[in-house]
Amino acid sequence: KAGVTQTPRYLIKTRGQQVTLSCSPISGHRSVSWYQQTPGQGLQFLFEYFSETQRNKGNFPGRFSGRQFSNSRSEMNVSTLELGDSALYLCASRAFSGANVLTFGAGSRLTVL
Amino acid sequence: DAKTTQPTSMDCAEGRAANLPCNHSTISGNEYVYWYRQIHSQGPQYIIHGLKNNETNEMASLIITEDRKSSTLILPHATLRDTAVYYCIVRVAGGGGGADGLTFGKGTHLIIQP
Repeated sequence: KAGVTQTPRYLIKTRGQQVTLSCSPISGHRSVSWYQQTPGQGLQFLFEYFSETQRNKGNFPGRFSGRQFSNSRSEMNVSTLELGDSALYLCASRAFSGANVLTFGAGSRLTVL
Repeated sequence: DAKTTQPTSMDCAEGRAANLPCNHSTISGNEYVYWYRQIHSQGPQYIIHGLKNNETNEMASLIITEDRKSSTLILPHATLRDTAVYYCIVRVAGGGGGADGLTFGKGTHLIIQP
């Protein structure tokens, strides 16, 4: 079965712009979570969505937001981009009853100039 | 969440067993031990998890000490493709409701030598 698909894989933006990243979970998985990975901070949890509702949120400013659609696909948005937002953004999906067994996508690498 | 301590890096010869230790002395009774790995430029990959019994799957074995304060991930016959950062995570089971994010820490950079 198809894995977690993230688009785009690479993108370059400039400071002040906004960006939207997309994630399609594994078919049947209703939970989608997002992580940011940087060399300095490592992997950090952004938020998780289940049934179109945000269930939990990490310690990130309000510029980071997300949503989930009825088909479980999810998007995250970063507004007013800063240089420090350059990172690999990873999406993960899990079956509702799948413990903390997450399946990650390959990520979207964002560069902010 | 219980904190975990892992060595920063380890080497292992190809074909040998790679034993990756993890200390989690403050683990609670309802917390599981999860292992993930991340190969360079890819998303993390789930390997295995356990509560108190030893576990084995097609990828690895997980040995948890009787007091549950430490564990070891064993890759029985390491190959070059096993070179990756391995993360040990302690967390309550996430099923049945909203799950908090996983705390990945720095992990162990395992280098398989030819």
